[in-house]
Amino acid sequence: DTGVSQNPRHKITKRGQNVTFRCDPISEHNRLYWYRQTLGQGPEFLTYFQNEAQLEKSRLLSDRFSAERPKGSFSTLEIQRTEQGDSAMYLCASSLGQGESQPQHFGDGTRLSIL
Amino acid sequence: AQSVTQLGSHVSVSEGALVLLRCNYSSSVPPYLFWYVQYPNQGLQLLLKYTSAATLVKGINGFEAEFKKSETSFHLTKPSAHMSDAAEYFCAVSASGGSYIPTFGRGTSLIVHP
Repeated sequence: DTGVSQNPRHKITKRGQNVTFRCDPISEHNRLYWYRQTLGQGPEFLTYFQNEAQLEKSRLLSDRFSAERPKGSFSTLEIQRTEQGDSAMYLCASSLGQGESQPQHFGDGTRLSIL
Repeated sequence: AQSVTQLGSHVSVSEGALVLLRCNYSSSVPPYLFWYVQYPNQGLQLLLKYTSAATLVKGINGFEAEFKKSETSFHLTKPSAHMSDAAEYFCAVSASGGSYIPTFGRGTSLIVHP
């Protein structure tokens, strides 16, 4: 169990630029989640995958946000035309099974700062 | 629909004192409940989980939580605080009605004084 890995750890970019984050889940985990966390708040759910299928994306914050999980392994989260309000910590988590009572294993996140 | 309310954004205790972090949940179906801890610039780590097997759940680092259905509560306790317990704590609920996608509370920051 090497844990959930997220890259980069920090991303600083200018407003209007596109950014892409990567998440490598625990290898045998079939579920992968993306969250946004702002200061003083809990993780806010964005989207999740079961294997390569994206089962919920209606809670992505806008159409500027998109996520992929090709081949059911790693995942990427892309934000197009970044805005000041996108500054936050983006967390990835993975779990095993259908969700149920399985706890999520979190990566250390990618902190996005928009100049 | 499911939701979590964590009472108190900050809790301050002395080292060696009892820790009590409060969590109330709302769920239309039997829930699964979790407590996670987050240290600065890190992701969340699972402390413990309730899955209906036992109402008193023991977790790592001496923490435990009791599920009380009548009170819709899942408060986190530790008999004696240690300086290393200072962190942000999150309660989360998941249930079949929400496709088992966890809903997290806003978090409680635990401050431990020497």
